[in-house]
Amino acid sequence: GESVGLHLPTLSVQEGDNSIINCAYSNSASDYFIWYKQESGKGPQFIIDIRSNMDKRQGQRVTVLLNKTVKHLSLQIAATQPGDSAVYFCAETPTDKLIFGTGTRLQVFP
Amino acid sequence: EAGVAQSPRYKIIEKRQSVAFWCNPISGHATLYWYQQILGQGPKLLIQFQNNGVVDDSQLPKDRFSAERLKGVDSTLKIQPAKLEDSAVYLCASSSTLRQTGQYFGPGTRLTVT
Repeated sequence: GESVGLHLPTLSVQEGDNSIINCAYSNSASDYFIWYKQESGKGPQFIIDIRSNMDKRQGQRVTVLLNKTVKHLSLQIAATQPGDSAVYFCAETPTDKLIFGTGTRLQVFP
Repeated sequence: EAGVAQSPRYKIIEKRQSVAFWCNPISGHATLYWYQQILGQGPKLLIQFQNNGVVDDSQLPKDRFSAERLKGVDSTLKIQPAKLEDSAVYLCASSSTLRQTGQYFGPGTRLTVT
């Protein structure tokens, strides 16, 4: 129900530390994955994507790791900054649909 | 490049009233999506358009929700009559091709049904 959804998993990190946000996906047929960042009052913003034929992809300060064996995805943020504070969603595409996972709230403290 | 535009940003209505949301996608994007995002959850796809045709509306509650994209550009999403459980953020997104570029989301319309 909605009350359960309100209790987002939360990761609190100190500014400058590295953050790791995890996501378990459900469909072994998914071949494309995306991480989104959603700040308060805004729509999800694309961060990085990865195809199932890769196990790692790096962007600017972000790295996505994919473990298909255990259906696990992670987002690593290097040198976390206050502007990284947001809710992060992973999304999978078992077909052409984008299916979002449960979000994780990242809180960055000084 | 201008992003996805949505209006209004906020709307409060009473149950059983009707409401409409508007979306203007990124120029040139053929695919347009409407999502419902309940507080604390990820967005859930309601309907997907390719140009002015419906690709997927399997999760749209068709007894009360309708959407159109008559000229293949702007789109409207309507709820009539609204229920309390429709309180959510309604997000519009567009893409040229989902798998190549990902979807670009608008800021959403926050609907409160009282």
